[in-house]
Amino acid sequence: GAVVSQHPSWVICKSGTSVKIECRSLDFQATTMFWYRQFPKQSLMLMATSNEGSKATYEQGVEKDKFLINHASLTLSTLTVTSAHPEDSSFYICSARDVSNQPQHFGDGTRLSIL
Amino acid sequence: QKEVEQNSGPLSVPEGAIASLNCTYSDRGSQSFFWYRQYSGKSPELIMFIYSNGDKEDGRFTAQLNKASQYVSLLIRDSQPSDSATYLCAVTTSGTYKYIFGTGTRLKVLA
Repeated sequence: GAVVSQHPSWVICKSGTSVKIECRSLDFQATTMFWYRQFPKQSLMLMATSNEGSKATYEQGVEKDKFLINHASLTLSTLTVTSAHPEDSSFYICSARDVSNQPQHFGDGTRLSIL
Repeated sequence: QKEVEQNSGPLSVPEGAIASLNCTYSDRGSQSFFWYRQYSGKSPELIMFIYSNGDKEDGRFTAQLNKASQYVSLLIRDSQPSDSATYLCAVTTSGTYKYIFGTGTRLKVLA
């Protein structure tokens, strides 16, 4: 149980393109989803926390107008990187949690490369 | 600033030995503690979680929590080359469900 699916797994696109990443909880209802970014040889950095039906809460230093998060249902959250530039190239990982105090389960991640 | 610290390693152990990974945290109000394994280029996968002081065992893995000393450790018995990965410690801060991750310890199990 507790499977989180993330799509796409790999994106290569030109600078200025907007990229949408989907995160789905397949066998449970995710009351909260989290979006992380991981640069090479570094740990995961939380970008934002998303609760179904409400606005995402962004961490300090993360531009909410650049990283648009939508959590329209209990099984789906999306992250859109708008007007992506090479410095946005990174490994983006979502996670989901169902009830309080339960572990977060991670998607497989999306490797984003902006040329 | 609330922090979670791990030795970055690499920690090298021979096959069959016990690997001991440690993590300290600064927020005394932290409630929940998690160990994730991350292979290179992959996303983290949950190994264990622990909420109460003491030991929790699951197969070859044992998590140990000492809230008074603010550390949590992970023991891997009978280490296998397939255990070679980065092990991430995550702690939830008091009053939230957000994780604070340590920087991870790279484990190498030598065949």
